Amino acid sequence: EPEVTQTPSHQVTQMGQEVILRCVPISNHLYFYWYRQILGQKVEFLVSFYNNEISEKSEIFDDQFSVERPDGSNFTLKIRSTKLEDSAMYFCASSLGRDNQPQHFGDGTRLSIL
Amino acid sequence: ILNVEQSPQSLHVQEGDSTNFTCSFPSSNFYALHWYRWETAKSPEALFVMTLNGDEKKKGRISATLNTKEGYSYLYIKGSQPEDSATYLCASPIRDSQGNLIFGKGTKLSVKP
Repeated sequence: EPEVTQTPSHQVTQMGQEVILRCVPISNHLYFYWYRQILGQKVEFLVSFYNNEISEKSEIFDDQFSVERPDGSNFTLKIRSTKLEDSAMYFCASSLGRDNQPQHFGDGTRLSIL
Repeated sequence: ILNVEQSPQSLHVQEGDSTNFTCSFPSSNFYALHWYRWETAKSPEALFVMTLNGDEKKKGRISATLNTKEGYSYLYIKGSQPEDSATYLCASPIRDSQGNLIFGKGTKLSVKP
């Protein structure tokens, strides 16, 4: 069964550094998402991406965050200047359709900011 | 603001017990309700997507019901097995969004052999 893959599984970075989290969604999916979970808290929506552009973003997704789908297969999340509070598990997801289709998640990237 | 709540936060049962837990959501502007199963160190795995009031879906020993008028969904596991141990998440998409999911905090189920 096709899977969403994410790399790296764990990233440790100094505060203020840039990080890029990578995802390869399922190939025929059309909708792409990033979520994150800070330890002990709910999984939170960050951004959705459709038709090669951002559809929606949450309040968390400020100017420090950006997403790209550079080559039709990879879907990346960049954090320009990381803060301590960016430490979380970041999940990529993709789906075939919008509300009534399940989202398929990757295994996540654990981001630790020192 | 869409707020999804789950209870209980955690549950410990013996192998063979049947169990159920609850997801509640605002009944106004309801669009769909997703259930996911999330094992430690793995990705959340979709169980059900439910849209219609009175919907009941089943996958093996796991089933779910939906009441959109009162804003809740139940997940049932019949004859729990140790491999059912996981966190069960429910989520609802924001209406008129691109499917952006708002998650509950999850119910962590531990099944003892």
